[in-house]
Amino acid sequence: AQSVTQLGSHVSVSEGALVLLRCNYSSSVPPYLFWYVQYPNQGLQLLLKYTSAATLVKGINGFEAEFKKSETSFHLTKPSAHMSDAAEYFCAVSDQRNNQGGKLIFGQGTELSVKP
Amino acid sequence: DGGITQSPKYLFRKEGQNVTLSCEQNLNHDAMYWYRQDPGQGLRLIYYSQIVNDFQKGDIAEGYSVSREKKESFPLTVTSAQKNPTAFYLCATNGGWTYGYTFGSGTRLTVV
Repeated sequence: AQSVTQLGSHVSVSEGALVLLRCNYSSSVPPYLFWYVQYPNQGLQLLLKYTSAATLVKGINGFEAEFKKSETSFHLTKPSAHMSDAAEYFCAVSDQRNNQGGKLIFGQGTELSVKP
Repeated sequence: DGGITQSPKYLFRKEGQNVTLSCEQNLNHDAMYWYRQDPGQGLRLIYYSQIVNDFQKGDIAEGYSVSREKKESFPLTVTSAQKNPTAFYLCATNGGWTYGYTFGSGTRLTVV
């Protein structure tokens, strides 16, 4: 079975500081991994995804993530935090193996706070 | 614009009543999903459907029911058997490798 663990339910950074949100996965097959962002009372917006191409994945709003198979990790980073980055972030793994829909399995989420 | 419409955004019900949450999509995606979100628990899969007239239970299906009579619609009924129905409910679709997953804006259900 596939699973995702996000280390740290709350992360606080200063504006302009590095953002690092941690995600480790468990999968018996090559994983497809995602990072989503959620603002209060809204749906999820895709930040980036890994689908077995380049291990360093660049997403929207300056975020990127690196797939490390040896560490079973897919940590999300951003060099310089902005106040607008304050939100909840979810890491997810998909069991999709063909062009039909697969299930997304989510981590517990990490709430990012950005201090001025 | 193509997208997913969840209605209503906020819903209040008395304990013991069944309630149906609406999810409509005009993306022409085959697969649709319902997730439940609680603070600190991430999103948990309730039901999903990969094709019309077929659906499967997710991890927390007890106390919920769904139907998929049309490609565009995947309503979720929260029954009185659901012990703790107060939560934020998200509907999603999957358009395959090209279009990926799309999420609705959610319905917040409060049972009093």
